[in-house]
Amino acid sequence: GDSVTQMEGPVTLSEEAFLTINCTYTATGYPSLFWYVQYPGEGLQLLLKATKADDKGSNKGFEATYRKETTSFHLEKGSVQVSDSAVYFCALKGVNTGKLIFGQGTTLQVKP
Amino acid sequence: NAGVTQTPKFQVLKTGQSMTLQCAQDMNHEYMSWYRQDPGMGLRLIHYSVGAGITDQGEVPNGYNVSRSTTEDFPLRLLSAAPSQTSVYFCASSKNTDTQYFGPGTRLTVL
Repeated sequence: GDSVTQMEGPVTLSEEAFLTINCTYTATGYPSLFWYVQYPGEGLQLLLKATKADDKGSNKGFEATYRKETTSFHLEKGSVQVSDSAVYFCALKGVNTGKLIFGQGTTLQVKP
Repeated sequence: NAGVTQTPKFQVLKTGQSMTLQCAQDMNHEYMSWYRQDPGMGLRLIHYSVGAGITDQGEVPNGYNVSRSTTEDFPLRLLSAAPSQTSVYFCASSKNTDTQYFGPGTRLTVL
């Protein structure tokens, strides 16, 4: 079945460092891909999404490109801030099921 | 708009007790779902609904019941709580399954 794999956390960075969180997927067809973010004590919020191959989703300085050839959707940000500290979830919407499948989440901690 | 609201925020139950987690949305979304979040496992879909009167099972439905009598409300019932149901529960709604709006969650502990 469909699945999403994210890099293990936690990831600890200094402010202004470059961030990459890896995400790969296994799915039938061409699913839509998402990154959700969960700030401490809150529910998840959509960060960005891409619905077809080579699409780039972007929001709040974060970017991710839908790579069909490597079945990946890595999240990147050029310069992280302390306020970016959160748990980041990669997800896909199954083509056949229409349901969201989440990765296990990656905790990011940014230190001043 | 309040968005998606969930009550209670925290709950402690004893094994065998039953309870209902409440979820409501004011965005007139047809699609609603319940997830549980466990450490290292991401979110797993429990039940979902594509509209009033229609519900279906997700990945981990055992031990939970749902109903959808109105567009706004989607309660989750635990019939006989077990320690394995200790988790954080999130309700979500959307116009379709793309951009889901999540509630703040209910942290449930079953002793």
